[in-house]
Amino acid sequence: LAKTTQPISMDSYEGQEVNITCSHNNIATNDYITWYQQFPSQGPRFIIQGYKTKVTNEVASLFIPADRKSSTLSLPRVSLSDTAVYYCLVGERDTGRRALTFGSGTRLQVQP
Amino acid sequence: DSGVTQTPKHLITATGQRVTLRCSPRSGDLSVYWYQQSLDQGLQFLIQYYNGEERAKGNILERFSAQQFPDLHSELNLSSLELGDSALYFCASSVGQPTNYGYTFGSGTRLTVV
Repeated sequence: LAKTTQPISMDSYEGQEVNITCSHNNIATNDYITWYQQFPSQGPRFIIQGYKTKVTNEVASLFIPADRKSSTLSLPRVSLSDTAVYYCLVGERDTGRRALTFGSGTRLQVQP
Repeated sequence: DSGVTQTPKHLITATGQRVTLRCSPRSGDLSVYWYQQSLDQGLQFLIQYYNGEERAKGNILERFSAQQFPDLHSELNLSSLELGDSALYFCASSVGQPTNYGYTFGSGTRLTVV
């Protein structure tokens, strides 16, 4: 599995856009990039997954440059409820048959 | 409600004891994964079952064991408990096929060993 590097923590204010970048220099051709969100004392929750360019859903956007060595999770207009840990995972597309490997994640603190 | 049910939500027990954690996967999901999350270790994968069979092992101690039953629910057995086993234990499930919605995690069991 490709190793990922992301900031340990980030601070933001309500209403701002937050961009969390993940570095994955040794990403393989078949690897996808997936982000999970975890609130305190809750299990992680899938946010978004992508392979290249840009993916957007109702929660976030995922930007992946052409070389795919990094990716950026973008959360538009964050609120206090977006305070959580965000994990970047890189690996083969979710086949539903392999375990996920979580790193340390990025702890996002949103302030009023 | 994610669809993955874990019981009990909280468990307090003494060192040396044995406990069983239970997980009911989301309806239709064949794979069950167990994770341990402690303050200093993050989310650690323990073990995976797929349709009743062990599929993969992670950092699971010999004192720990698991199984998946014919109805697909799974149990994680922790024995000879030590203070360091205090943690949140999460169960996740997946359908076993490619999806675009990731894996589904339960809300966890918080184990406190005293």
